[in-house]
Amino acid sequence: AQSVSQHNHHVILSEAASLELGCNYSYGGTVNLFWYVQYPGQHLQLLLKYFSGDPLVKGIKGFEAEFIKSKFSFNLRKPSVQWSDTAEYFCAELYGGSQGNLIFGKGTKLSVKP
Amino acid sequence: DTAVSQTPKYLVTQMGNDKSIKCEQNLGHDTMYWYKQDSKKFLKIMFSYNNKELIINETVPNRFSPKSPDKAHLNLHINSLELGDSAVYFCASSQDPSKFGANVLTFGAGSRLTVL
Repeated sequence: AQSVSQHNHHVILSEAASLELGCNYSYGGTVNLFWYVQYPGQHLQLLLKYFSGDPLVKGIKGFEAEFIKSKFSFNLRKPSVQWSDTAEYFCAELYGGSQGNLIFGKGTKLSVKP
Repeated sequence: DTAVSQTPKYLVTQMGNDKSIKCEQNLGHDTMYWYKQDSKKFLKIMFSYNNKELIINETVPNRFSPKSPDKAHLNLHINSLELGDSAVYFCASSQDPSKFGANVLTFGAGSRLTVL
């Protein structure tokens, strides 16, 4: 079965620290990858997506992710986190092309200490 | 205007009851989805509808029945509620993937269902 793995369950950082959240996907066909963020009590919002082209993708709020095909990875990064980045982060892969079935990882909770 | 709106936001009910969650999108999208987020925050697709037609029906108990009166609405009806149905249910919509290829899902704010 297709799956998306997020290695870190809970990451705790101080403000200004650098962030990298791991994500590995398993589907070997056409790759469509996403990072979504869920702030406390809110709905899922798109941070960034990769469909094709430049493997380094820039998203909103200073986030970026790098698609590395050989490693089946799509890690999320931010050079300097802020307290307001405290949220749950979900990596997702679109599986099945025309079906539009988004497979989510189990999420990584990020807590940023002021 | 909220792009994808769900009602109710919170729902507390007894085991055995029947309840519905409504979803409406004003984005002109053809495809709508229901996702379930469990207590461990794991998100899993339940259903996908394209232009009122069921496309994806994951392994979900028959007690869950989606209904799409038109392409802007996808309601979720749950019969004989069980404790394990407690979760946050997210509605989402997107352009038709079969026509436009991979695209972004827009999510609603979620409906937190608690079954006592």
